[in-house]
Amino acid sequence: QVQLQESGPGLVKPSQTLSLTCTVSGGSISSGDYYWSWIRQPPGKGLEWIGYIYYSGSTYYNPSLKSRVTISVDTSKNQFSLKLSSVTAADTAVYYCAALRGEDWYFDYWGQGTLVTVSS
Amino acid sequence: QSALTQPRSVSGSPGQSVTISCTGTSSDVGGYNYVSWYQQHPGKAPKLMIYDVSKRPSGVPDRFSGSKSGNTASLTISGLQAEDEADYYCCSYAGSYTFAVFGGGTKLTVL
Repeated sequence: QVQLQESGPGLVKPSQTLSLTCTVSGGSISSGDYYWSWIRQPPGKGLEWIGYIYYSGSTYYNPSLKSRVTISVDTSKNQFSLKLSSVTAADTAVYYCAALRGEDWYFDYWGQGTLVTVSS
Repeated sequence: QSALTQPRSVSGSPGQSVTISCTGTSSDVGGYNYVSWYQQHPGKAPKLMIYDVSKRPSGVPDRFSGSKSGNTASLTISGLQAEDEADYYCCSYAGSYTFAVFGGGTKLTVL
């Protein structure tokens, strides 16, 4: 059973860069079974897919966030990370990491989520 | 505004059945059999309930079922139980540019 755990600062100042890491356990990030994804949910609102990275390093980003997003992977640590630059209050959300099954395009496993607040 | 349209809320009494719709376009729901549904209780992460339109992961009760007709997918919950009260989100593959789109979510209330 794959488990995911997000970590990172819970408070980021406007215009700065949000950085989060997801640690994968119970399976290898290099297995090729999943696309490792980030999804966010503003308070009281719905889900928004941010993007994914494959173990090989190939990435895809939501066009609406593409100019500000970078997702990277560290296979030696079984981790992948999210960086979102030039944040504003609109980026305040619970950020989830998730394992996307690429063959059938569904999110199989989710982290518990971490709230990131953008405020000075 | 979400890419997929869901009713804001639905409700039903214990033992009854409810259906939640998820309407998209021929570029997402109507174009692929890659619709999934997620259950989210307050303060918790979403949980996969249905994938590939109608398949249930191991451990999900058979009271949960999915279907699709044209550009609209549906999640039906039969024999409603109190623990089914939650938010439900649909998600669809949307091609190699957009990839995945979510619905806005539906709040299910068990009366």
